[in-house]
Amino acid sequence: AQSVTQLGSHVSVSEGALVLLRCNYSSSVPPYLFWYVQYPNQGLQLLLKYTTGATLVKGINGFEAEFKKSETSFHLTKPSAHMSDAAEYFCAVNGETSGSRLTFGEGTQLTVNP
Amino acid sequence: DTAVSQTPKYLVTQMGNDKSIKCEQNLGHDTMYWYKQDSKKFLKIMFSYNNKELIINETVPNRFSPKSPDKAHLNLHINSLELGDSAVYFCASSQHAGLAGGLPTFGEGSRLTVL
Repeated sequence: AQSVTQLGSHVSVSEGALVLLRCNYSSSVPPYLFWYVQYPNQGLQLLLKYTTGATLVKGINGFEAEFKKSETSFHLTKPSAHMSDAAEYFCAVNGETSGSRLTFGEGTQLTVNP
Repeated sequence: DTAVSQTPKYLVTQMGNDKSIKCEQNLGHDTMYWYKQDSKKFLKIMFSYNNKELIINETVPNRFSPKSPDKAHLNLHINSLELGDSAVYFCASSQHAGLAGGLPTFGEGSRLTVL
């Protein structure tokens, strides 16, 4: 079984401040991990992914995430928030050995204040 | 060309009606999925087909019936619609099933509102 927990359904930061969105996962096999962003009334856009190899992965729009196996975490960060970053962010895991289903966290709504 | 396209994008209907949402992918992928995003924005997989065969069927009411006429299409038919079926339904596809099957590509979603 696999699951994802995103701590904090709402995160609010000031423009230019550090963004930190937390994600913890559980998986019975080595996981693949993903962060998606969803802008209002739009579909899901992949920000970044971790499969194997380097544990620090860089994505689009200046986001990055670090896979920490010992902490079962995959937190998303961005050094300096921009107004355009305001959106819903989803962490997802694929740890299944058969059937490539994604299990999503409940999402974190990021608000960026001017 | 849109990689994963869903129609309709918006659907408003009455309780008890039957409706379908269509999905087509032009990526040559073998595997397709339906996900449901509820009013709290929680996303959960409903079904997955690999080469027209059902491989994932979560605990979804049997009022929901997916159909895959070929591997490029996965349609979702819903009978006897209920208020709780109101959601955004996302279609997705990946190259293959399995952990290394490639990243799913999502459609833009179909927002179903049941009155």
